[in-house]
Amino acid sequence: DTAVSQTPKYLVTQMGNDKSIKCEQNLGHDTMYWYKQDSKKFLKIMFSYNNKELIINETVPNRFSPKSPDKAHLNLHINSLELGDSAVYFCASSGTGGAADHTFGSGTRLTVV
Amino acid sequence: AQRVTQPEKLLSVFKGAPVELKCNYSYSGSPELFWYVQYSRQRLQLLLRHISRESIKGFTADLNKGETSFHLKKPFAQEEDSAMYYCALRGTGFQKLVFGTGTRLLVSP
Repeated sequence: DTAVSQTPKYLVTQMGNDKSIKCEQNLGHDTMYWYKQDSKKFLKIMFSYNNKELIINETVPNRFSPKSPDKAHLNLHINSLELGDSAVYFCASSGTGGAADHTFGSGTRLTVV
Repeated sequence: AQRVTQPEKLLSVFKGAPVELKCNYSYSGSPELFWYVQYSRQRLQLLLRHISRESIKGFTADLNKGETSFHLKKPFAQEEDSAMYYCALRGTGFQKLVFGTGTRLLVSP
């Protein structure tokens, strides 16, 4: 009964390919996020959705397209993958109110070769 | 602009030694500050939030608005504390977290 689950855990693919990462949360949270952790372990927000609506888009190349079919799911599709896209991608969700902490998924390690 | 600075990339201590992981922030409003921990190849987990003023696994952190700091402290480090620690800030009215660059804590026997 994992709270935030991402698939796949590992993804190795060639440059130029298109790939998707899925995320699902069973916490009833309204807000979901994608964060990118680069090779230097730096973590940065990419996107955030609240109730299926995009609320944050942090200067991410438009090769990256998030999709939220419902508030429990936030998928990330990446077109024309580049070497620099290699990173760990974390999905997270949060509720509302004063203690709206992030709950993170276990990450998807994407390697572009 | 919201910014979080963790000046140390790596902090190496011996078991039983005191630990202080530094975090400074820049934000014009009243932020919420958090510490997240990432054990080897695991997901990020919330360790502390400043509004709770709690101690988790022996760690404490006090928000110092004058110095704009939220340093993480533990009096006696344990080997199992070895992990990556991220300080994070959430601004008023924002939901995203802004992370520092992280500090790797290595506790040797």
